[in-house]
Amino acid sequence: SQQGEEDPQALSIQEGENATMNCSYKTSINNLQWYRQNSGRGLVHLILIRSNEREKHSGRLRVTLDTSKKSSSLLITASRAADTASYFCATDKGGLVFGQGTRLTINP
Amino acid sequence: SAVISQKPSRDICQRGTSLTIQCQVDSQVTMMFWYRQQPGQSLTLIATANQGSEATYESGFVIDKFPISRPNLTFSTLTVSNMSPEDSSIYLCSSTGAGGPGETQYFGPGTRLLVL
Repeated sequence: SQQGEEDPQALSIQEGENATMNCSYKTSINNLQWYRQNSGRGLVHLILIRSNEREKHSGRLRVTLDTSKKSSSLLITASRAADTASYFCATDKGGLVFGQGTRLTINP
Repeated sequence: SAVISQKPSRDICQRGTSLTIQCQVDSQVTMMFWYRQQPGQSLTLIATANQGSEATYESGFVIDKFPISRPNLTFSTLTVSNMSPEDSSIYLCSSTGAGGPGETQYFGPGTRLLVL
């Protein structure tokens, strides 16, 4: 079963704008990971944030974690056409439990 | 990190047959995992492949349908048995590499299965 929900399910923005995706989960976690998947291909790992961390950056990506609200967000700044993909959050219980995913489309 | 390969990359199979998917990791790892991604859906964990013991299956998945082998610390197989069209999915394996539990999980490229 899915651990949580992601919203929005789909997001379409113009190139150069920022994209924010949210993830909620149900149980306590050790860490939360974000992945990108291009058009049915393999998953690319983006960021891992641990339960004792509140924010993490990697290039144009910023991830926040609020364990009191059991939620996380992924912000992509200055979006590019190449960012068009599906984005998934996943919580770690040994194996990963994935959210439903957000399908992001960047329009040129 | 870990580099993970899978074979085959894709296959088209007839209902009632079985397909074995191979997963190879470039280093010795403790934990390997198998996931299914049905068309247009997210990933669902099938099982954890344990070296030297039986795989641990998630709710809704059973060994008779998805037997798993883990003969050593770098290799695992997943068999999809007695296939039906509902088994058409992408099957992915993953591992934490040398990092162990609670670390980044890396994924293979997936095996795209179509059952007719």
